[in-house]
Amino acid sequence: EAQVTQNPRYLITVTGKKLTVTCSQNMNHEYMSWYRQDPGLGLRQIYYSMNVEVTDKGDVPEGYKVSRKEKRNFPLILESPSPNQTSLYFCASSLSVPYSNQPQHFGDGTRLSIL
Amino acid sequence: QKEVEQDPGPLSVPEGAIVSLNCTYSNSAFQYFMWYRQYSRKGPELLMYTYSSGNKEDGRFTAQVDKSSKYISLFIRDSQPSDSATYLCATLAGGTSYGKLTFGQGTILTVHP
Repeated sequence: EAQVTQNPRYLITVTGKKLTVTCSQNMNHEYMSWYRQDPGLGLRQIYYSMNVEVTDKGDVPEGYKVSRKEKRNFPLILESPSPNQTSLYFCASSLSVPYSNQPQHFGDGTRLSIL
Repeated sequence: QKEVEQDPGPLSVPEGAIVSLNCTYSNSAFQYFMWYRQYSRKGPELLMYTYSSGNKEDGRFTAQVDKSSKYISLFIRDSQPSDSATYLCATLAGGTSYGKLTFGQGTILTVHP
């Protein structure tokens, strides 16, 4: 089954404790992206990757790191999480840049709470 | 100022009504325009997309873009309770930022029977 898998689905942690949210897709997609969703602010892109070893900043990259060492995986790293990073996070992938017949497939989301 | 502004709603309409959802954008580099629908506790799904100014129709949905005024609209005809969801407009930048997606804040729509 074609899917984007995020882990963990839920996480409560404390300020400053490094964490990684994994994202994996099994569709051989080139484009992958991370978003955060907050009430009243909609979906905001954190980082995106057009292909292996190519990553670019979205609208809200501060406090986050990503890497794309292999096509299928695109982990999101919070080196020193802070409470303002409490949010719902989505990973998504698409065959190429997500437009027209290249729709993004979204994961089920990761709800992060940082105390 | 956000690069994409969306009427936040929420919007509540009776079944069968025509729904109008709107966004404005400020960056002329935006070349591609999309509407996503997001049901509660799910990831967004692409609903409509368009490149040029004008209308694009798909069943009960019509996407409209006016590049001269930087205005994006989605119309839903004969709205159904199953249309109840959050609708997000999105733009894709061209040029050196090709691949960067910017979303509006989302409008929560409720269609009641």
